[in-house]
Amino acid sequence: QVHLQESGPGLLKPSQTLSLTCTVSGDSVSNYNYHWGWIRQPAGSGLEWIGRIYSTGTTNYNPSLRSRVTISLDTSKNQFSLKLTSVTAADTAVYYCTRDPGDWFHPWGQGTLVTVSS
Amino acid sequence: SYVLTQPSSVSEAPGETARISCGGHNIGTKSVQWYQQKPGQAPVLVINYDTDRPSGITERFSGSNSGNTATLTISRVEAGDEADYYCQVWDSRSDLPVFGGGTHLTVL
Repeated sequence: QVHLQESGPGLLKPSQTLSLTCTVSGDSVSNYNYHWGWIRQPAGSGLEWIGRIYSTGTTNYNPSLRSRVTISLDTSKNQFSLKLTSVTAADTAVYYCTRDPGDWFHPWGQGTLVTVSS
Repeated sequence: SYVLTQPSSVSEAPGETARISCGGHNIGTKSVQWYQQKPGQAPVLVINYDTDRPSGITERFSGSNSGNTATLTISRVEAGDEADYYCQVWDSRSDLPVFGGGTHLTVL
């Protein structure tokens, strides 16, 4: 059974860089059948796709965040990571990591709340 | 950009059938996914490729997709089905996934 687990700081100040890691078990981030990505959800709101990375390292990002986002792979640790620079209060959300075969997202990590506040 | 429209809420009594719609231009030509999200939990895929149920999803969940509307149908609704439901497609023009705004299902 595939399991994804997010980790990282839960509280940031404005202008800092958000850094989250997703640890994968039950599958390999080198699996050519899947992308590995991030989705976020502000409290009481809907789902916003952030971006994804393929096993080759190819990335796709949401244009609205592209200038601030980097997603990377660490195959030695079977992890992938998200970095979001220059955060503001608008980046406060629950961040989920996911696996996607191209059309859908499954499974999802349990999510981690990141709050941006001075 | 491609837009998916869902009703904000749907209510149904236990044992009845709940239908949640997802509207989009020619959505019938796209592959539609549905996710269930219970309070404080991550979304769970319940339908992919319009009608397929992932392993472990009850057969009470079914999907359809035609024209400009996709529908998630939940038969014999139970209290445990109360949740937010999101539809999702991949917009080939922008090469981005698109989510509907979500529908809250209340079991009366």
